[in-house]
Formats: sequence, C-alpha cells, structure tokens
Amino acid sequence: KAGVTQTPRYLIKTRGQQVTLSCSPISGHRSVSWYQQTPGQGLQFLFEYFSETQRNKGNFPGRFSGRQFSNSRSEMNVSTLELGDSALYLCASSLAGLGSSEQYFGPGTRLTVT
Amino acid sequence: DQQVKQNSPSLSVQEGRISILNCDYTNSMFDYFLWYKKYPAEGPTFLISISSIKDKNEDGRFTVFLNKSAKHLSLHIVPSQPGDSAVYFCAASGSYNTDKLIFGTGTRLQVFP
Repeated sequence: KAGVTQTPRYLIKTRGQQVTLSCSPISGHRSVSWYQQTPGQGLQFLFEYFSETQRNKGNFPGRFSGRQFSNSRSEMNVSTLELGDSALYLCASSLAGLGSSEQYFGPGTRLTVT
Repeated sequence: DQQVKQNSPSLSVQEGRISILNCDYTNSMFDYFLWYKKYPAEGPTFLISISSIKDKNEDGRFTVFLNKSAKHLSLHIVPSQPGDSAVYFCAASGSYNTDKLIFGTGTRLQVFP
C-alpha cells in the first residue's frame, strides 16, 4: 500500500507571495491533518479535514487555509507569505479519524520564504 | 502553553543499553498517547501507542509506560541500536471525533557503538 505523498518536496518563495501544498493520503484514509514543524516549536497542528470538512483547527492566522477533495486528497494554502512561515509542512492521514488512531505522515514539504 | 513536554532535548546511550525517553503532559483530558520517530528529511514514523486504560504497551524492543496520576509517560528501547538514533516525539490526543495531535518538542537520541 502506498504511503502518504506530498508535493512538492521543496519550495522557495518570496515574502508576500502565496503557496499551495498538496497531500495524498493512504488509500482508504479519510482524515488528513496538517502540521508545521520549526526548530524551536516542534510540530504544531494546523488543521484537520475529514470527509471534505474541516473538523479542527489550530492557532494559526487566517492566512493558512486548506481543503479536502472527495478523493480525500488535501491542499494547504498560505497567502501573503512571511519569513516566519519558513518550515517543514507535514501532512498525516488516518483511517478512522476518531482521536485514537495512528496517523501516518508524509515526507513533508520544505518551504523557504526569502 | 506547552501541554506536552519533553524536557530532555537530547540523550546519548551506548549500543546494547536501555534508552529511556520521557514525556510529561498537563491536560488530564488526554486519553491516547503516541510515540513517533523522525529521521532528518523524513516525516515522523509511528512507533507505538497507548490508551489511557492501560499502563504499559510493548512491541518488540519498544515499551511505553503510562503513569496517569503523574501525567507522565516514557518510552523504553531495549537493547538500543545505532539505527535508533533519531528524534523521538511523544504526542497526545484527547478529543473524540478528531485526530488533532499535540506534540512535544522532541528528544534527539544518539546511540553510539
């Protein structure tokens, strides 16, 4: 079974631009969560989508948004990029989405904002 | 407010010995705990989990212990191997109908020969 895939793997953007990241979950998984990893903060939860609906959201500004399609693939968008948005963005998928199931992570998208 | 804390940023252990990684949490509503291992340039890999109704879960060389009264969990790796060298994150979940995980900041484990 194929794992979680994320595209692109690396991105370089300039301040003020916007960016869209993509995540394809494991086949059959309906829950997709997004996390931001930075050196000092560890992994911070961005949001979770389940059956095309945002079910939970972390403490990030509205510049961060996402969506999920009917095939469970998900995209994350960041508008008006800031230098502090430079991070590794990880998505994770899980089968049941019930808070007690293991999440499986993709390799991440490394975003650099200059 | 850091609800899940890993107070040791790094740990160095000799091959063959036991590695003990610790994690503390503050939210008594957490009822499911997980450990992940992360190599550079890769996403975290699920290792082992434990539900709050248990106090121990074992999977091969990995054992997780949960002390609910102390709000503390630990991951034991026995025996430690050089391939275990990675960053280990503990995570907690507590809300029904969501897969939001709260992660600690990680502990870098180095296993030397």
